[in-house]
Amino acid sequence: GAGVSQTPSNKVTEKGKYVELRCDPISGHTALYWYRQSLGQGPEFLIYFQGTGAADDSGLPNDRFFAVRPEGSVSTLKIQRTERGDSAVYLCASSLGQNNEQFFGPGTRLTVL
Amino acid sequence: QKEVEQNSGPLSVPEGAIASLNCTYSDRGSQSFFWYRQYSGKSPELIMFIYSNGDKEDGRFTAQLNKASQYVSLLIRDSQPSDSATYLCAVYTGGFKTIFGAGTRLFVKA
Repeated sequence: GAGVSQTPSNKVTEKGKYVELRCDPISGHTALYWYRQSLGQGPEFLIYFQGTGAADDSGLPNDRFFAVRPEGSVSTLKIQRTERGDSAVYLCASSLGQNNEQFFGPGTRLTVL
Repeated sequence: QKEVEQNSGPLSVPEGAIASLNCTYSDRGSQSFFWYRQYSGKSPELIMFIYSNGDKEDGRFTAQLNKASQYVSLLIRDSQPSDSATYLCAVYTGGFKTIFGAGTRLFVKA
């Protein structure tokens, strides 16, 4: 079956611009995670959705970051007024539940110039 | 103190040898422990998970957990060049978070 998909695979933007990153989880997976990974580091937790609701958004670095999952499937991570420090690979993962194996998407590489 | 710590490496082992990867964690209430493999430029993929103290074997891989010492390890027997990757230790602490270590880079020399 299809795995987790993320679009776009690469996004180059200018400082101050707004970006949206999309994640399409595995069908039937109710849990969805967003992570950010910088070079040489492990994935850094951003936000967790159980169904449509954000059960834990404590990893979002500041109020420029926001994520939604309106129908309990596809999720969008939104970043306002991008900064150069936002450059990283943004990974999405889904699982059957919060203590289950997470399946990762291929990631979106965001570059802020 | 970082919540999940790993030696960044690189760890270099000859082909056929045993590679030993280690991880310590700070939260005594941690419940589940995962090892992910990440090839360069790719996303993480699960290798092993372990919940209980002791050893868990799956093919060439063995995960070892010692909750009293807050220590989890991954052994790779008969290492192959295709095992060369970064190995990420991940810890589920309850609630909703899984915390990842920075990873250990492994090189298996042919």
